[in-house]
Formats: sequence, C-alpha cells, structure tokens
Amino acid sequence: DGGITQSPKYLFRKEGQNVTLSCEQNLNHDAMYWYRQDPGQGLRLIYYSQIVNDFQKGDIAEGYSVSREKKESFPLTVTSAQKNPTAFYLCASSMSPFGLYGYTFGSGTRLTVV
Amino acid sequence: KNEVEQSPQNLTAQEGEFITINCSYSVGISALHWLQQHPGGGIVSLFMLSSGKKKHGRLIATINIQEKHSSLHITASHPRDSAVYICAVCSNTGNQFYFGTGTSLTVIP
Repeated sequence: DGGITQSPKYLFRKEGQNVTLSCEQNLNHDAMYWYRQDPGQGLRLIYYSQIVNDFQKGDIAEGYSVSREKKESFPLTVTSAQKNPTAFYLCASSMSPFGLYGYTFGSGTRLTVV
Repeated sequence: KNEVEQSPQNLTAQEGEFITINCSYSVGISALHWLQQHPGGGIVSLFMLSSGKKKHGRLIATINIQEKHSSLHITASHPRDSAVYICAVCSNTGNQFYFGTGTSLTVIP
C-alpha cells in the first residue's frame, strides 16, 4: 500500500544536539512538506519541496534544515539553533503543490528535547 | 490573525447525536480540506471540497464559497469518531495552505 512513513514515532534528544527526522513516501508525489504542531495551534509550515533537489523555507524555517536528494525522501534536521524544538512533527506529500488535489500525511514524530 | 477559524474548539457529545463543526476562512481558495487527527497524531484526509456537498458514510461536508464557510456534519455519532477535526484551505494563489487550530471532539458512550 502506498503511503508516508515517518520514523521514529517518539524521539528524545539532549539539548544542543542535532536530530534528523525521517520521511519516506512511495506515492510518487512530487511535493513534500514538513509541519510542526504545538498544542492549541494550527499546523505551521517549516519547509517544503516541490521537486527533487529544490526546497523552500516555510513560515518557521529558522533552526531547521532539509534535503531532497531523492523523490521519495525528505528528511528534516532539527538543529541546536532551534530554540524550542519539543513538538509534534508531521510530514506530508501531494501530487500537486500545496495539496490542490489532496494531501497525504505521515503518522508524525513526537520530539522531546531534555 | 488566522486565515482559517474553526468552531467550536472543543465539543462533547453523547453517542448518537448529530454533530456540526464549522470553518470560516478569509482568503480566496481553490479547495478546502477536512482532516481527522486521532490521538496517536496521524492525520487522515476526510474530504476535499471546492463547491457544494460531499458525503462519505456518516460524514457530510458542505461549503459555501460566497460566504467563505464550510461545515462538517457527523450523523449518529459514535465514540470512535472522537478525534481532532481540522479544516485546511489551499489558497487560490497556489502557494499556501492554511490550517485551522482544530476542533477536539469527544463522543461519550
């Protein structure tokens, strides 16, 4: 079955360490996205990529980095520069940019920095 | 300022009740999505609408483009419907996707 796989589901890291969240899709979607979700807030866009080897900053890109070397993969690195990294991170993909024909979401990674 | 506003924020219902969740938006859109997020966090797309009404099982979604408003209805609600329901819109400029903060629904047996 096609879908998006995010791993791990839960991640704990010490403050000051970089951490990379994995996102893989087998839907042949061109566009991929990373969102951050905090309690009481809507999903906020971190980075997005509409094509391999290209990505754009979203609304809250500071302290994060991404790569898109393969169509299937869009890993997100949370760097030590991110001031408040503890959050729920969701990866999504779509056939066309910004979900005009629908989004598929992963199951998310809950990152806790201690 | 939120481009997408949902109401209510929290909703508790008895099993079997008819439920309505509302979504208003302030931008021009090409499509509106209703999403369901279960306690584990994963999100599932329920509907994508650009006009009119769609029905899937006990769920009905409507949209009024002129009034910039959409509603999600659940008939004969069941405890397994308990989840957060999120309204999201794709702007008609094609380069933005806005999310509401969600409505947390709890259906009590």
